[in-house]
Amino acid sequence: QQQVKQSPQSLIVQKGGISIINCAYENTAFDYFPWYQQFPGKGPALLIAIRPDVSEKKEGRFTISFNKSAKQFSLHIMDSQPGDSATYFCAASILNTGNQFYFGTGTSLTVIP
Amino acid sequence: KAGVTQTPRYLIKTRGQQVTLSCSPISGHRSVSWYQQTPGQGLQFLFEYFSETQRNKGNFPGRFSGRQFSNSRSEMNVSTLELGDSALYLCASSLESSETQYFGPGTRLLVL
Repeated sequence: QQQVKQSPQSLIVQKGGISIINCAYENTAFDYFPWYQQFPGKGPALLIAIRPDVSEKKEGRFTISFNKSAKQFSLHIMDSQPGDSATYFCAASILNTGNQFYFGTGTSLTVIP
Repeated sequence: KAGVTQTPRYLIKTRGQQVTLSCSPISGHRSVSWYQQTPGQGLQFLFEYFSETQRNKGNFPGRFSGRQFSNSRSEMNVSTLELGDSALYLCASSLESSETQYFGPGTRLLVL
């Protein structure tokens, strides 16, 4: 059973456009929601993360929007660049219970020049 | 600081064999987690070790086991390999109560 559902599976965006990836979860005990970026041949790397006490977090061109009542969160990449082409994973965990993360199935983003 | 290192990077085994993968965490990190990554399934949590003790365990069969040494290095063992075990196995380390997990490059296992 997938505890975190992610969509779309793949995404193609023009350079300068906005990339949006969505995730949904069921377990209301989750209290930490990170996004990871993975390039081919590399392990995932933390991109940005949010706690449920805020509805939005922005770091540069990357923004997480969080809707606690809908149990959904999304990643927005503004002014998408070819260098952003990678696979993105959302995840969720319950802090203070160890480091067990539940990951979405990933979104392959391609930014066309 | 050096990042998380995993050895070997690539491995080919046949069904029924067993395999041991190794992970060296970032210096000072005491938590090591293992994940299986397959296309379409994303990353599936295997287990987490902290101070040589298994702290969390995912829903994988008993053929998957692990351990952690006093220097925080960790090994993962898969016995009686099946074709479906072909995957990228990722190791991640973190501080005791850190929210950030640092992933290694993974070991790609192919079972023939």
